[in-house]
Amino acid sequence: DQQVKQNSPSLSVQEGRISILNCDYTNSMFDYFLWYKKYPAEGPTFLISISSIKDKNEDGRFTVFLNKSAKHLSLHIVPSQPGDSAVYFCAAKAQAGTALIFGKGTTLSVSS
Amino acid sequence: NAGVTQTPKFRVLKTGQSMTLLCAQDMNHEYMYWYRQDPGMGLRLIHYSVGEGTTAKGEVPDGYNVSRLKKQNFLLGLESAAPSQTSVYFCASRWGGQPQHFGDGTRLSIL
Repeated sequence: DQQVKQNSPSLSVQEGRISILNCDYTNSMFDYFLWYKKYPAEGPTFLISISSIKDKNEDGRFTVFLNKSAKHLSLHIVPSQPGDSAVYFCAAKAQAGTALIFGKGTTLSVSS
Repeated sequence: NAGVTQTPKFRVLKTGQSMTLLCAQDMNHEYMYWYRQDPGMGLRLIHYSVGEGTTAKGEVPDGYNVSRLKKQNFLLGLESAAPSQTSVYFCASRWGGQPQHFGDGTRLSIL
């Protein structure tokens, strides 16, 4: 059973507009969430994270929102740029655990 | 560049052959991980290590073995390769509560 779900395999956005990537989780023990970005033929790179004690974390053009009651988080990219085109993975970790549980990823395409 | 280095980058094996994938990190990280990525499946944890001399099973450990004899190296072994093990393998490491750093992957094809 998938504990971290990214239900949209792909998303297309125009340059300059907002990209919103969504992630749902089922395990209430998760207390730390991360987004990774992956380009073809490269490894995932860390983008932004959020602890369960917060509901928002911002880093430049990237903002992650966490809704614990809905077990839902989202990544907002504003404004979107063609270089943001990549696969985005949502990941979660429980405090007592050491491993990350990844979603299947969402492929973002930003057109100029 | 400093970071996580995976060797080799590509490999083709025949069913039944054995091989070892090497992961090396120069960041003095305690934790190291091996994942596999398959189309539409995201990253799944195979094995991990919380320090030199320790290993533990992840979500999909069957058919793989690992060793962490030195802190900077984490080896992933396939004793008898099967076509179902065709995948892209990623190694990652981290220190403390910091995010995991990933290598660029090893593409393994088993015929």
